Amino acid sequence: DSGVTQTPKHLITATGQRVTLRCSPRSGDLSVYWYQQSLDQGLQFLIQYYNGEERAKGNILERFSAQQFPDLHSELNLSSLELGDSALYFCASSEGQTSSYEQYFGPGTRLTVT
Amino acid sequence: GEDVEQSLFLSVREGDSSVINCTYTDSSSTYLYWYKQEPGAGLQLLTYIFSNMDMKQDQRLTVLLNKKDKHLSLRIADTQTGDSAIYFCAESSDSTGGGNKLTFGTGTQLKVEL
Repeated sequence: DSGVTQTPKHLITATGQRVTLRCSPRSGDLSVYWYQQSLDQGLQFLIQYYNGEERAKGNILERFSAQQFPDLHSELNLSSLELGDSALYFCASSEGQTSSYEQYFGPGTRLTVT
Repeated sequence: GEDVEQSLFLSVREGDSSVINCTYTDSSSTYLYWYKQEPGAGLQLLTYIFSNMDMKQDQRLTVLLNKKDKHLSLRIADTQTGDSAIYFCAESSDSTGGGNKLTFGTGTQLKVEL
């Protein structure tokens, strides 16, 4: 158990809908990262927040957004969902914001868009 | 840009050593990681190596880094059936915004046979 929690574990929704994925980092970690794992794209970095501020951005679609709250939990919002958004979404956390801090991953949220 | 490549499959007999290879392109990578993913599970951090090191040993795991050739390998000694999983190589790079991200390889499926 990495100490990173994600809810829900599974999510099934229809095209065009909007969903929110939630992540709680390990105790003491200030950085939260979101990654998407799909069969065709592999594991891809989406976005990083550190202590409430956006710090790094990957190939995140404009339909997707994220935020980190004062209690350090983070939410990833996915809107206007398409079939291709079906994937496993991972949250990771680290103590600091740079690459010198290892990232610990949560169990993931499996999103299925029908 | 960053790119990380791995072979897709490796099959070994129980008790033998496994060697999983990875090549990367980003010469500014500061840390290189190995993660393990079991079916239906998240990513477990196995080990990592700082880019100015050549080798790191951690119990049954040995990481070798050839920075000149941008080649990373993970050796698992005395491979057990419980080591069957997908192994991901990842490079960490800092962004101009002060954050960082992991770029993952495609993953190597390790199958351990009796």
